[in-house]
Formats: sequence, C-alpha cells, structure tokens
Amino acid sequence: GAVVSQHPSWVICKSGTSVKIECRSLDFQATTMFWYRQFPKQSLMLMATSNEGSKATYEQGVEKDKFLINHASLTLSTLTVTSAHPEDSSFYICSARGLAGVSETQYFGPGTRLLVL
Amino acid sequence: AQKITQTQPGMFVQEKEAVTLDCTYDTSDPSYGLFWYKQPSSGEMIFLIYQGSYDQQNATEGRYSLNFQKARKSANLVISASQLGDSAMYFCAMREGIRQAGTALIFGKGTTLSVSS
Repeated sequence: GAVVSQHPSWVICKSGTSVKIECRSLDFQATTMFWYRQFPKQSLMLMATSNEGSKATYEQGVEKDKFLINHASLTLSTLTVTSAHPEDSSFYICSARGLAGVSETQYFGPGTRLLVL
Repeated sequence: AQKITQTQPGMFVQEKEAVTLDCTYDTSDPSYGLFWYKQPSSGEMIFLIYQGSYDQQNATEGRYSLNFQKARKSANLVISASQLGDSAMYFCAMREGIRQAGTALIFGKGTTLSVSS
C-alpha cells in the first residue's frame, strides 16, 4: 500500500516552544491531508483538513493560531504546534488520500508523540 | 449524535477462535464508506478492510470480513482464527460523501481486543 511518513516520531520540548511535525506521502501525490490527535486509550479526533495550496479547514474547537498547518506541495504537509503547553502533549497522526481517481483508502503516517514539559 | 458507535470497550478471545467487533453508524448520506483500522501499541494505523455503501457483497480480506447490514446501519468486523498478533485496538470509521475528495474519516471510540493462548 501507499506510504506516509511522519517526522519526528518523538519530540520532547519545553513549555512555550514551537514544534513542527512533517507529514509526507512517499509514493503518491496527496491532494488532501488530514491531521488527527489522539489521547491515550481514546479515539482519533480530526483536527483539520489540509488541501494543497489552500488554507486548512479546522474542526470546531481547534485553534488555528495554535496549530498552524501548511500544505505546500502534493507530498508534504506540516503541523506546527505554537507555544506548546503540557496540555498539548498527545499523539499526532497525519493521513493522506491519493490524487488519482477516488481512492477510498486513507493512509496514515506512523504518528508523532509530543511531550511538553 | 455520534456518527460511529463501538459499544465494546474490550473483547477477549482465545487463539484460533473467531471474534466479532461491533460497529454501528449514523448517516443520511446515501454515499459513504466504512473502514476498519487496527492500532497496535506502536500507534500506527493499519488499514484492514473497506465497505462502500453501494457494494452488494460483504467485503473480505484474508481473515477479516465485514458483516454489512445496511438497513440496521451496522458494519461489524469478523476476525476468523484469531492470532496473538491480533491483540490491538480496533477502530471503525466512516467517510460520508465518499466521492468527494475532501471529506475525512470519522472514528469510533475503538475496541481493545486481547487474544490469549
């Protein structure tokens, strides 16, 4: 199947710093990428939908100034957690859908564990 | 109202037995897709099986089959001949407007499956 990578896989940072997470589709072009957040033992909650070359669409309750999303190319989307605080500690997972036709399958990256001290 | 409901927080099964994980969904969109993903402790989301709302037959993928009952709005996952490696969290997900590129997967709360020897 298609491959989606995320970097970094783990990040520990001090409160107040900003953290950038990259999501890349390695063997296909992704017109749309999605960012999810998952707390331990809970479900994946959609944060935002990112379309290449346009502004991201954020879900209700997600601060767009806090979680900056950039989808600069068909293979790369980035999520920047600005001025991170301990409550932002979570597992962040990106997902991508292909360009050709209507691909039903949504491929996920391996996730990034963020710990804010 | 929840779009995806998984009523079983945890399930236990012995090796080589079959197990059914329940999933019901709620949508008024006639065009939708239903997905099951497996999430082991590593956190990666592994795609298992897909069922489209217009598909006439139940989807099957190896040991996984999806018991799709459209009138009841249920999409239960059946795992035959369970293996120890099947122990993981399982998520049911739905995407409405399956023909549209920008719609995201919405997940249920998940079921933790434990397989014992």
